[in-house]
Amino acid sequence: DAGITQSPRHKVTETGTPVTLRCHQTENHRYMYWYRQDPGHGLRLIHYSYGVKDTDKGEVSDGYSVSRSKTEDFLLTLESATSSQTSVYFCATSNPAGRGATNEKLFFGSGTQLSVL
Amino acid sequence: GNSVTQMEGPVTLSEEAFLTINCTYTATGYPSLFWYVQYPGEGLQLLLKATKADDKGSNKGFEATYRKETTSFHLEKGSVQVSDSAVYFCALSRPGGSEKLVFGKGTKLTVNP
Repeated sequence: DAGITQSPRHKVTETGTPVTLRCHQTENHRYMYWYRQDPGHGLRLIHYSYGVKDTDKGEVSDGYSVSRSKTEDFLLTLESATSSQTSVYFCATSNPAGRGATNEKLFFGSGTQLSVL
Repeated sequence: GNSVTQMEGPVTLSEEAFLTINCTYTATGYPSLFWYVQYPGEGLQLLLKATKADDKGSNKGFEATYRKETTSFHLEKGSVQVSDSAVYFCALSRPGGSEKLVFGKGTKLTVNP
């Protein structure tokens, strides 16, 4: 396993409050990702990072922002949480062989269950 | 665009039954194809992969063959066990090199003793 730790594991919050989820990895992987998992939708990419301070949007990025100030940490922030953001959030990492290489393996954390009431 | 379509679940089987989970894809070029598995309460982990047409990925008794002519990557296992109960995700990596996987919606498998 790639040593990926997500915190918190569970969080309940109220609509309109800011929330930050943290992902920490110990494998020095270059790429990090945030996915959300919802019934009927599978996994959908929110944001990803290909290096320190280098991030890009995924398919469901609205309402989310990310930051990566260190290789090992990737933060996901919900600026003003809404009930539609109730979900299980997964962090993942990968280390492709080189620029343009196919991403062959992602390593996932255990997930954060977020409930927005 | 690039997409993956998996058979709807849930799938319920008895121990030692034969398993097939269908997966078809749409992509430009020649993607790499993957099956990931998610056991209860855990994150996803790579089960097997195939990177070119006619390749067969295999692991833990599971197999899947990359069929370019039918754009499919069906997952099979000859004799399932209770411990195989999990959610299975088909995924593709976009051709031309991509950091992002595209996942199917997942198929939940329950194996009863």
